[in-house]
Amino acid sequence: GNSVTQMEGPVTLSEEAFLTINCTYTATGYPSLFWYVQYPGEGLQLLLKATKADDKGSNKGFEATYRKETTSFHLEKGSVQVSDSAVYFCALDSGGGADGLTFGKGTHLIIQP
Amino acid sequence: GAGVSQTPSNKVTEKGKYVELRCDPISGHTALYWYRQSLGQGPEFLIYFQGTGAADDSGLPNDRFFAVRPEGSVSTLKIQRTERGDSAVYLCANSLLRGRTDTQYFGPGTRLTVL
Repeated sequence: GNSVTQMEGPVTLSEEAFLTINCTYTATGYPSLFWYVQYPGEGLQLLLKATKADDKGSNKGFEATYRKETTSFHLEKGSVQVSDSAVYFCALDSGGGADGLTFGKGTHLIIQP
Repeated sequence: GAGVSQTPSNKVTEKGKYVELRCDPISGHTALYWYRQSLGQGPEFLIYFQGTGAADDSGLPNDRFFAVRPEGSVSTLKIQRTERGDSAVYLCANSLLRGRTDTQYFGPGTRLTVL
């Protein structure tokens, strides 16, 4: 079956630090990969996505590259801000109408001023 | 509407009671999903509708859970004989079509607490 593994949190960084949140996956076929973000008190929002190997998704200074050879989709940002504090979820969709999205457990990111 | 809405935002009930959770999707988005998110976990898939019919209900944990979408728009998740283990946030999501590249847009969720 499909599965997503992401690094355990919480991850605590200082403002302007470099961020990496690791995500690896197991899936049948050729899934699409997603990063969703949940800000405090808000619902899940799509942050970025990539639909095929070597694609790079980007949004709000965040980037992630779909690496089929390492089955990874690591989230990076060059300089984090306090407002980036949130829970980040890696997810995959293998399509075909089955199972919906498969999510990781989430990584709580805390940015200190 | 502008996005997916869910009602109620919070529901507290007693063990053994019946509850209904409602999802109002984005107009014209044909694919609708229900997920359950337990504390400290990612959302877990429950059921998917394409139009009015449940195309995949493989994630429903047992026969106490049931969902309908009679007119292909609003959906209701129904839980019979609630148990304390059913306490979670129930999320509804919507996508324009059902394909692996389509983005799912999530509602704010209903937090269910079973006492």
